[in-house]
Amino acid sequence: DAKTTQPTSMDCAEGRAANLPCNHSTISGNEYVYWYRQIHSQGPQYIIHGLKNNETNEMASLIITEDRKSSTLILPHATLRDTAVYYCIVRAFDRDDKIIFGKGTRLHILP
Amino acid sequence: DVKVTQSSRYLVKRTGEKVFLECVQDMDHENMFWYRQDPGLGLRLIYFSYDVKMKEKGDIPEGYSVSREKKERFSLILESASTNQTSMYLCASSTRTDLTDTQYFGPGTRLTVL
Repeated sequence: DAKTTQPTSMDCAEGRAANLPCNHSTISGNEYVYWYRQIHSQGPQYIIHGLKNNETNEMASLIITEDRKSSTLILPHATLRDTAVYYCIVRAFDRDDKIIFGKGTRLHILP
Repeated sequence: DVKVTQSSRYLVKRTGEKVFLECVQDMDHENMFWYRQDPGLGLRLIYFSYDVKMKEKGDIPEGYSVSREKKERFSLILESASTNQTSMYLCASSTRTDLTDTQYFGPGTRLTVL
């Protein structure tokens, strides 16, 4: 079972920041938080990951709460091309490198 | 950029046929994975491999086998295709030199079994 809980769907106006929440209350100390997205008919695309500090790259920002039980992915200026299913995943680095995907959040960017 | 390619985007086969899905990555990654994706079920892991000639069962290995003869290539084999194997198949790779082991996915193969 996926270790994360995400809303089923969200809407965001084009040009605004999209904030996607994720709960991972059972996260272990050695587990990272990953975000992937999947645009229709394409393979999942890596977005960002973090352990406990906030992270930012050219695609997004990741805010992880101090207790690490939840996080938020921020797309600062959403465009129509950001319409996708967004997956929040927690995973440790060990020999069994499986990713367990949950249902994700279907993000609709509205023009 | 990491590139993961899959042999076909769309494939149509008949029940009972033997089906080969090929995946190639060009970044010398040690780990490779096969997933299938179905509506309402998300991504599910079929098999993975962390080295040449090594393989591990994932969550749903029944009806599938894999082959990893070379580091860059990971093949998924449906010995006798069935209609319930109609699905989107996704290949991924990752490297252990990256502590966080991010997986990179191919574009997917949409397989229809008639």
